[in-house]
Amino acid sequence: DTAVSQTPKYLVTQMGNDKSIKCEQNLGHDTMYWYKQDSKKFLKIMFSYNNKELIINETVPNRFSPKSPDKAHLNLHINSLELGDSAVYFCASSRGTGGQETQYFGPGTRLLVL
Amino acid sequence: AQTVTQSQPEMSVQEAETVTLSCTYDTSESNYYLFWYKQPPSRQMILVIRQEAYKQQNATENRFSVNFQKAAKSFSLKISDSQLGDTAMYFCALSGGSNYKLTFGKGTLLTVNP
Repeated sequence: DTAVSQTPKYLVTQMGNDKSIKCEQNLGHDTMYWYKQDSKKFLKIMFSYNNKELIINETVPNRFSPKSPDKAHLNLHINSLELGDSAVYFCASSRGTGGQETQYFGPGTRLLVL
Repeated sequence: AQTVTQSQPEMSVQEAETVTLSCTYDTSESNYYLFWYKQPPSRQMILVIRQEAYKQQNATENRFSVNFQKAAKSFSLKISDSQLGDTAMYFCALSGGSNYKLTFGKGTLLTVNP
């Protein structure tokens, strides 16, 4: 059983389109995250939700909108896709929000904007 | 602000030998947590080992161990008896007790040669 799953694994789309990436965790965790890994492999947090409430919102363009329908799911919707949005997007979850909590990552979604 | 620095972009080691990956960090937190994650070519982010800053004893997980030097703000990863499956990008990461954002280093690409 996959602990943190993401769909789709690959996404190829045209500039200007809108797309969504879904994330689900079956670990019973309260906190979920979205990270972006750029072409140089640098990982940076984008958002975090705890019990469906937004707790971290880094300086991300407002074209990116996370949505958490329940604490097991955190989806990422991206409007008006740009070339610079091409990256690998990782979802992660942790038991709670404390710094001591280990984060468990999904397999990543590779997004390519043409 | 938290920073994590990995000064070795790439390293290589012969199978069965030992290799050490370097990581230095900076944080204003008095209590914090350090992690090493591995990202093989499959792209999955896998937790290798974690260390609580308040613990003096270095963490170990089978062939993986850390050398945690708190005063020097250094957290290196030692891999003993390297195996071909250890070939991956290794990321050092830090989270603070009150700052649960994981801050990653830029990664070290380790290649294990037969």
